[in-house]
Amino acid sequence: SQELEQSPQSLIVQEGKNLTINCTSSKTLYGLYWYKQKYGEGLIFLMMLQKGGEEKSHEKITAKLDEKKQQSSLHITASQPSHAGIYLCGPPVSVILKGMEYGNKLVFGAGTILRVKS
Amino acid sequence: GAGVSQSPSNKVTEKGKDVELRCDPISGHTALYWYRQSLGQGLEFLIYFQGNSAPDKSGLPSDRFSAERTGGSVSTLTIQRTQQEDSAVYLCASSSATSGGDTQYFGPGTRLTVL
Repeated sequence: SQELEQSPQSLIVQEGKNLTINCTSSKTLYGLYWYKQKYGEGLIFLMMLQKGGEEKSHEKITAKLDEKKQQSSLHITASQPSHAGIYLCGPPVSVILKGMEYGNKLVFGAGTILRVKS
Repeated sequence: GAGVSQSPSNKVTEKGKDVELRCDPISGHTALYWYRQSLGQGLEFLIYFQGNSAPDKSGLPSDRFSAERTGGSVSTLTIQRTQQEDSAVYLCASSSATSGGDTQYFGPGTRLTVL
């Protein structure tokens, strides 16, 4: 089975500082989702990466999937208190029944807790 | 609706009681997922619906857990004879995928506490 490891487990940064969260898979990733979760809320979709070397940005958050497709990094530039939360990475895993693909379920890592001090 | 909604937002129950958790997916989304998030652990997949049928029930922890979906829309997750280890946040997600990958949009979750 595929194992995901996120690092660091938790992170405290001063507002305005940059930070990076890593997600490493034991197997090749054929896609990877990044979500953010705030306490008491559901998961907010950030980005999805599929191709080796792919990089996507949204506002001050940039995510990249390495060429070997086994590691992804999420980088936040000039962090703000609104960035605080739990960041989760996870690949889609196909739901296959009797040889037919029915969609995907998500398998997440344990998450990285980010706190931003103002 | 505008997003995935879940009810109740919080549920406190006594050990041994049955509970029902409800999920209203985004209108038109055919795929619906239930996940569980326990304290200190990541998200755990429970069950997946495509329309009203559940091709993947592999994540249901025991036969005390069941789920149904009617009219291709609302889904209920039922836990019978609740145990303390059932305490968790139960998250529902929906997507428009009929096959292949598509983004899953999550509801705010139901926090279940079993005393």
